[in-house]
Amino acid sequence: QQPVQSPQAVILREGEDAVINCSSSKALYSVHWYRQKHGEAPVFLMILLKGGEQKGHDKISASFNEKKQQSSLYLTASQLSYSGTYFCGTRKAAGNKLTFGGGTRVLVKP
Amino acid sequence: EAGVAQSPRYKIIEKRQSVAFWCNPISGHATLYWYQQILGQGPKLLIQFQNNGVVDDSQLPKDRFSAERLKGVDSTLKIQPAKLEDSAVYLCASSSNRRRPGELFFGEGSRLTVL
Repeated sequence: QQPVQSPQAVILREGEDAVINCSSSKALYSVHWYRQKHGEAPVFLMILLKGGEQKGHDKISASFNEKKQQSSLYLTASQLSYSGTYFCGTRKAAGNKLTFGGGTRVLVKP
Repeated sequence: EAGVAQSPRYKIIEKRQSVAFWCNPISGHATLYWYQQILGQGPKLLIQFQNNGVVDDSQLPKDRFSAERLKGVDSTLKIQPAKLEDSAVYLCASSSNRRRPGELFFGEGSRLTVL
């Protein structure tokens, strides 16, 4: 079952913060975050395994609440390069298929 | 390290015609995926291979789509006959269980337009 992402789109000014949420109705083994720029392939950002860990990639970090089957991606002090569509992907077990959400479009303006 | 290679990049066909896409994964990656991405949507898994065996093809429309991965390396995805709703970007990805496990490396995709 496809994870649900919110919001669908967000517009930011450079330097502002944003949060993207990803939720599932099923128990999860891992949550994966990817960013896709227009006309390009998705690029890996980070993986979070069950256990509630938080990870970071530059000024982009994420958390995973295993009990709520939710993950949040935090864009801090956003840069123009953060523009793109962010997808969360979820796995129910190791080696299981990776199912992507519908995506969140992020536009960072100067 | 060379990335995932896909061809052709673009293909335009008429409905009921057939088309084939080719993918060469990163060397040493045992797992290969084909995803379909319709404009404005997230990638949808069509088929996942582990070496040359199928792990998951539950969302592959088997009446018209087929895929194979001979010798556990290259893969081809075929659509026959194509329908208008098959217009999408077909993304191939690969991953390793050893180096950076769980991370998918995507190719640039093959954009299909069915008229």
